[in-house]
Amino acid sequence: KAGVTQTPRYLIKTRGQQVTLSCSPISGHRSVSWYQQTPGQGLQFLFEYFSETQRNKGNFPGRFSGRQFSNSRSEMNVSTLELGDSALYLCASSLGAGPQETQYFGPGTRLLVL
Amino acid sequence: AQTVTQSQPEMSVQEAETVTLSCTYDTSESDYYLFWYKQPPSRQMILVIRQEAYKQQNATENRFSVNFQKAAKSFSLKISDSQLGDAAMYFCAYRSAWNFWLQDYGGSQGNLIFGKGTKLSVKP
Repeated sequence: KAGVTQTPRYLIKTRGQQVTLSCSPISGHRSVSWYQQTPGQGLQFLFEYFSETQRNKGNFPGRFSGRQFSNSRSEMNVSTLELGDSALYLCASSLGAGPQETQYFGPGTRLLVL
Repeated sequence: AQTVTQSQPEMSVQEAETVTLSCTYDTSESDYYLFWYKQPPSRQMILVIRQEAYKQQNATENRFSVNFQKAAKSFSLKISDSQLGDAAMYFCAYRSAWNFWLQDYGGSQGNLIFGKGTKLSVKP
């Protein structure tokens, strides 16, 4: 089975722009979670989707949004980019949304905001 | 809110020797899951081992084992016969065993809460 894929792998944007990141989960997985990783804050939870519904959301401003499609693929969008949004964005998928489910991570999208 | 603490920012081990990475967590819950993830320079997070809090037996996966002390809220990872490929950042993570059907269980609970990580170097 193919693993979690994320596109693009690298991205450079300027302040004020918006960006959309994509995540394709492992085939058959219905839950997708997003995390932001920075040297200062470490790994922080952004949001989780299951069956096209947002189940949980972390403490991030409204500029961060996401959605999940019927094929379980997910996108996250960041509007009005700020320098502090530079980070590695990781997507993880799991079979279901229960706490016992193991999350499998993708390679991440590295976003640089200039 | 739950927190996860990894007190060792960096560790070093000689190839073929054993190393133990420390992790403590703070929670008022009795049911939860604990994980160790490995993140090599390629940046892809890989699950190393998981432990269910209701299980008293320590989890083991080949050369990796944990020492789970529930009362002390401690979850250390032991790597035996260290190999060069073990060099990576290791993250300890906590996940609450929430009731999936509680629709009002909002916020960031129910997802992985990570420690700051421990960078492990392996010397040949």
